[in-house]
Amino acid sequence: GAVVSQHPSRVICKSGTSVKIECRSLDFQATTMFWYRQFPKQSLMLMATSNEGSKATYEQGVEKDKFLINHASLTLSTLTVTSAHPEDSSFYICSARDLGGGAISIDTQYFGPGTRLTVL
Amino acid sequence: DAKTTQPPSMDCAEGRAANLPCNHSTISGNEYVYWYRQIHSQGPQYIIHGLKNNETNEMASLIITEDRKSSTLILPHATLRDTAVYYCIVRRDMRFGAGTRLTVKP
Repeated sequence: GAVVSQHPSRVICKSGTSVKIECRSLDFQATTMFWYRQFPKQSLMLMATSNEGSKATYEQGVEKDKFLINHASLTLSTLTVTSAHPEDSSFYICSARDLGGGAISIDTQYFGPGTRLTVL
Repeated sequence: DAKTTQPPSMDCAEGRAANLPCNHSTISGNEYVYWYRQIHSQGPQYIIHGLKNNETNEMASLIITEDRKSSTLILPHATLRDTAVYYCIVRRDMRFGAGTRLTVKP
């Protein structure tokens, strides 16, 4: 149990294009999903918190118009990097927090495998 | 929100116990302590969590001091595959610190 998937695992795009990354909780329902970005040899940096059915809450310094987040269901959140530039190249990781009521501990977050974005 | 302090790196001999400390002196009464690890180029993996009592699962043990201001993650018999960055988190919103890079050596 507690599996989170991300798609795609790796993407290369041209500067100026948009890229969508999907995050799915496969065997549990998640009211809250988190999006992180990680640069080489650095820790994970929280970008935004996504709640199902409502607008995402962005961390200071993260442009909401550039990083569009949609959390349309209890099992799916998407991050769209709009007008990507080379400096957006990074490892993007999502996590999902269990709704609770099942075998998985409530409030524990489970992470996806990450998506490596390279913008040329 | 509590912050955590961890040593930047540690080494451990294969087969020996790895003891990873974490200080969280500003933790509040209802905040859990979570431990995750990240192997290179992968998403973080949940290890264990606890509130007050010591906890043990198939991966590790978590020892929390009585005043809850610090904790220790114990990997009882470290293997080479345990080489990773280990993160201690006490904030519900899951902001990560720098973690401890554990290197298990043969």
